[in-house]
Amino acid sequence: EVKLVESGGGLVQPGRSLKLSCAASGFNFNDYWMGWVRQAPGKGLEWIGEINKDSSTINYTPSLKDKFTISRDNAQNTLYLQMSKLGSEDTAIYYCAREMVIIWDYFDYWGQGVMVTVSS
Amino acid sequence: DIQMTQSPASLSASLGETVTIQCQASEDIYSGLAWYQQKPGKSPQLLIYGASSLQDGVPSRFSGSGSGTQYSLKISSMQTEDEGVYFCQQGLKYPDTFGAGTKLELK
Repeated sequence: EVKLVESGGGLVQPGRSLKLSCAASGFNFNDYWMGWVRQAPGKGLEWIGEINKDSSTINYTPSLKDKFTISRDNAQNTLYLQMSKLGSEDTAIYYCAREMVIIWDYFDYWGQGVMVTVSS
Repeated sequence: DIQMTQSPASLSASLGETVTIQCQASEDIYSGLAWYQQKPGKSPQLLIYGASSLQDGVPSRFSGSGSGTQYSLKISSMQTEDEGVYFCQQGLKYPDTFGAGTKLELK
């Protein structure tokens, strides 16, 4: 069974940093692209970015490129999202997801999400 | 960025009714469209990818169609468990973008 479990969320002060983790199991992590998507309270979905199998290609949505860093550790089957200079606009549920990349891409499995609240 | 416009924003349907949700892209996305269902407090679940391919395990009453800039998701017979919010996503060009969502309720 494919399982993705996010952790590392919580309350953080504006301007601070936070690192999220996503532990993957039930599939060969090395064989898949992975991505992050967030959802502000009561709002829609926002694509943050993606990373390929060997970390040689990482794509971000332009508005977050200077604040967020995606990485992965294939030996630990773990995906990461390093977030810096956080502001209230970053308050959201953060989802990691397994990505299928063909001519186009889509997310076939999602984690349960982790809440990040940016507030003083 | 490619803009995804979903309609309607909300709708209600009776049991057994056919439901159609539309998604329009701001440029041709060559069938690079996926549909997701999200229930309250849960993560999104993939329904359709490549505009018309049904994800494994998804009931056959769900179907997707379209090409170019116009796409639709159809539920052929509304069930109680189909209540939720539906999102479309284009995965052709970076950054991927989602529609704003359609809230589907049982009448």
